[in-house]
Amino acid sequence: DQQVKQNSPSLSVQEGRISILNCDYTNSMFDYFLWYKKYPAEGPTFLISISSIKDKNEDGRFTVFLNKSAKHLSLHIVPSQPGDSAVYFCAASDGAGNMLTFGGGTRLMVKP
Amino acid sequence: GAGVSQSPRYKVAKRGQDVALRCDPISGHVSLFWYQQALGQGPEFLTYFQNEAQLDKSGLPSDRFFAERPEGSVSTLKIQRTQQEDSAVYLCASSTKTSGRDHEQYFGPGTRLTVT
Repeated sequence: DQQVKQNSPSLSVQEGRISILNCDYTNSMFDYFLWYKKYPAEGPTFLISISSIKDKNEDGRFTVFLNKSAKHLSLHIVPSQPGDSAVYFCAASDGAGNMLTFGGGTRLMVKP
Repeated sequence: GAGVSQSPRYKVAKRGQDVALRCDPISGHVSLFWYQQALGQGPEFLTYFQNEAQLDKSGLPSDRFFAERPEGSVSTLKIQRTQQEDSAVYLCASSTKTSGRDHEQYFGPGTRLTVT
């Protein structure tokens, strides 16, 4: 039973436009959420995170939104750049704060 | 500064062989994690160390999997009698604890294990 789901396996966006990546979770004990970016043959790289006490966190071109009632979070990238093309993973942790539970990933392709 | 390093980057093993995968975490990071990533999927938790203590091994898929971190820094994941279903990328991550909580985990490049 997947506790973190990314329902879109891929997303294609034009350079300069907004990319929106979505993530749903089922475990109400999750209280910290992270987005990781992964290039081929490399490990995941931390991008941005959000605590459940917030509903928005912004870092440059990246913004994460959290809707606790819907158990949904999204990552917005504005403006999208070709270098953003990668696989993006949503991850969550609970109050114990140790292991991360990952979604299956969304492959983002930003076309020049 | 140096990130998390893992070796070897690629390992091909014949079914039944034992393998050992090494992880060098970021210096000073208390917490160390191992994850397994199958093709086309997200990483899945295997085990967690706080310094030299293995506090959670609930994700290890069988008793053929064993991990250690004897001096609280370098860690080794050992897989005995490898099977084809063990083929995956094995990722190591480390983090610091803030207020008793691990936050962002920093990942190494992974070891791609192929069992033939």
